[in-house]
Amino acid sequence: QKEVEQDPGPLSVPEGAIVSLNCTYSNSAFQYFMWYRQYSRKGPELLMYTYSSGNKEDGRFTAQVDKSSKYISLFIRDSQPSDSATYLCAMSAGSGGSNYKLTFGKGTLLTVNP
Amino acid sequence: NAGVTQTPKFQVLKTGQSMTLQCAQDMNHNSMYWYRQDPGMGLRLIYYSASEGTTDKGEVPNGYNVSRLNKREFSLRLESAAPSQTSVYFCASRGGGSDTQYFGPGTRLTVL
Repeated sequence: QKEVEQDPGPLSVPEGAIVSLNCTYSNSAFQYFMWYRQYSRKGPELLMYTYSSGNKEDGRFTAQVDKSSKYISLFIRDSQPSDSATYLCAMSAGSGGSNYKLTFGKGTLLTVNP
Repeated sequence: NAGVTQTPKFQVLKTGQSMTLQCAQDMNHNSMYWYRQDPGMGLRLIYYSASEGTTDKGEVPNGYNVSRLNKREFSLRLESAAPSQTSVYFCASRGGGSDTQYFGPGTRLTVL
């Protein structure tokens, strides 16, 4: 079983739709969770960062973490064509020693159609 | 504040040639990383440097070497390029007490 599983899509939605992106993981030590957005031919950029379980909202974006189910989600409300990108989840057990490394999902390709 | 910069942006090599990819960050971060990204494979860690003066292997280190020149700079060297090293290479840095990493714009490398 891979440490982090992410459906690669592709996911195609109409403008204005609510988008749900998800990752599951197997390592119960993970406690820091991130979502990165990567536009075509660009580097990943940090979108959301959460610690432990719960929700975090930033504008149209909401990140949810359910540690009991080992499941994280990113919701995009009122999706826009500019949200078209690959979304990568990433997680870590915490700073220090070998835990300086992030474990990434393979990314989900999202297209928002006007 | 430029963040993480990488040079070159594009490079074409012939099999057996060598080259060095350069990375620099101006965020005073302690840790730096080199990844490669291939279709269907996601981001794979090649080498990382947890702090100045240390380097460690990641998931796919074979065929690569690294140098942490100082706190700002972390270079990746291909001694004898192979077609299997055709990829997009990203440098990242981490610091400020957070686990988040900040990525550069990438280098697209083709080995013929």
